[in-house]
Amino acid sequence: DAGVTQSPTHLIKTRGQQVTLRCSPKSGHDTVSWYQQALGQGPQFIFQYYEEEERQRGNFPDRFSGHQFPNYSSELNVNALLLGDSALYLCASSWGTGINQPQHFGDGTRLSIL
Amino acid sequence: KQEVTQIPAALSVPEGENLVLNCSFTDSAIYNLQWFRQDPGKGLTSLLLIQSSQREQTSGRLNASLDKSSGRSTLYIAASQPGDSATYLCAVKGDAGGTSYGKLTFGQGTILTVHP
Repeated sequence: DAGVTQSPTHLIKTRGQQVTLRCSPKSGHDTVSWYQQALGQGPQFIFQYYEEEERQRGNFPDRFSGHQFPNYSSELNVNALLLGDSALYLCASSWGTGINQPQHFGDGTRLSIL
Repeated sequence: KQEVTQIPAALSVPEGENLVLNCSFTDSAIYNLQWFRQDPGKGLTSLLLIQSSQREQTSGRLNASLDKSSGRSTLYIAASQPGDSATYLCAVKGDAGGTSYGKLTFGQGTILTVHP
């Protein structure tokens, strides 16, 4: 039973560039959430996708956008990268958007901005 | 706005000790609270989920309690082992606005070191 998988594992970009991160949810899951975790901090909610639509969004600028595909996988896109975007980006999946559905996390993508 | 605080920020204990990690949240209108473990450079592993109607959950040597009205949760680890060394995060889902049904709000975590 494959868990949540994210790619790539590590990524180095320079300021102003654009980046795309990918996530495949756990088998049987149809909802994907993205979080940003700065060093030494707890994860911060970016947004959640269900039925290929953004259902909820955290306090992040429009530079952060996403997409969910018919197979439930998802992409996180970040434009005009800033040094402050350096972080571990975590993807979490669950079955449906029910309030008591536990979220399962992947190992994340470590993004470094130079 | 929901805010989550974890105390202590770091804890170092000898192997075999029982320990308690604390989590507090500002808005008691939560749906559930979840405790996670994070190993260095890794993602989050869910340990326990307590629904708002529950008072505690147990899994092996772990016991988590929830006092929703006072905005507090504790994670109790019995007979700690070096393999328990990790960062422990608590997260809540929900607030009085009723809009954060999908969003987890995390604390900053407690870094636990269990030395032999």
